[in-house]
Amino acid sequence: SAVISQKPSRDICQRGTSLTIQCQVDSQVTMMFWYRQQPGQSLTLIATANQGSEATYESGFVIDKFPISRPNLTFSTLTVSNMSPEDSSIYLCSVTYPSETQYFGPGTRLLVL
Amino acid sequence: KQEVTQIPAALSVPEGENLVLNCSFTDSAIYNLQWFRQDPGKGLTSLLLIQSSQREQTSGRLNASLDKSSGRSTLYIAASQPGDSATYLCAVRRSRGSTLGRLYFGRGTQLTVWP
Repeated sequence: SAVISQKPSRDICQRGTSLTIQCQVDSQVTMMFWYRQQPGQSLTLIATANQGSEATYESGFVIDKFPISRPNLTFSTLTVSNMSPEDSSIYLCSVTYPSETQYFGPGTRLLVL
Repeated sequence: KQEVTQIPAALSVPEGENLVLNCSFTDSAIYNLQWFRQDPGKGLTSLLLIQSSQREQTSGRLNASLDKSSGRSTLYIAASQPGDSATYLCAVRRSRGSTLGRLYFGRGTQLTVWP
């Protein structure tokens, strides 16, 4: 199984600021995924991050708001830009492993005031 | 678009009961289906993965079944314990027209097992 860590685990931010979330995987993976879970809701895919190429964003998510970096095969960052209270969510990093099982990091709990 | 529904939304039972959680999906062209557990404020823990060609998977007290043609899966929990209290999420991966990692999630069943 994959071991995924995220930093920070939680944060409280002011409106209009930006937060960068880091995701580290214990082995090399081709694709990394970023999901959002808003309060009381299920998970929604934000984007897919491949190493060496631009991230692919899902409908409703744009690069200016959620820029993603993927500098190598074990690491990715997601930035939540110009935050508003509506961005308060849990942000989860995820990978698909050889068995095609999906694994998730512990999540970053964000509260925007 | 694939839609995943989980019933019931919440379930509260005494310890020792056998439980069935239900998941249905609208597009039967799935690649696999995965059940997760989520504890409050935490990430997701994978419980069971069922490939589209399989009918069921078992792990300890957990048994998941899949009926792809009818768009249904069930998660059976035997002899429930207070430690089973969590939200259980069902997710499907489609077999066509989507990125490999794109999972479609239900809203979950919030399970409480009281001693």
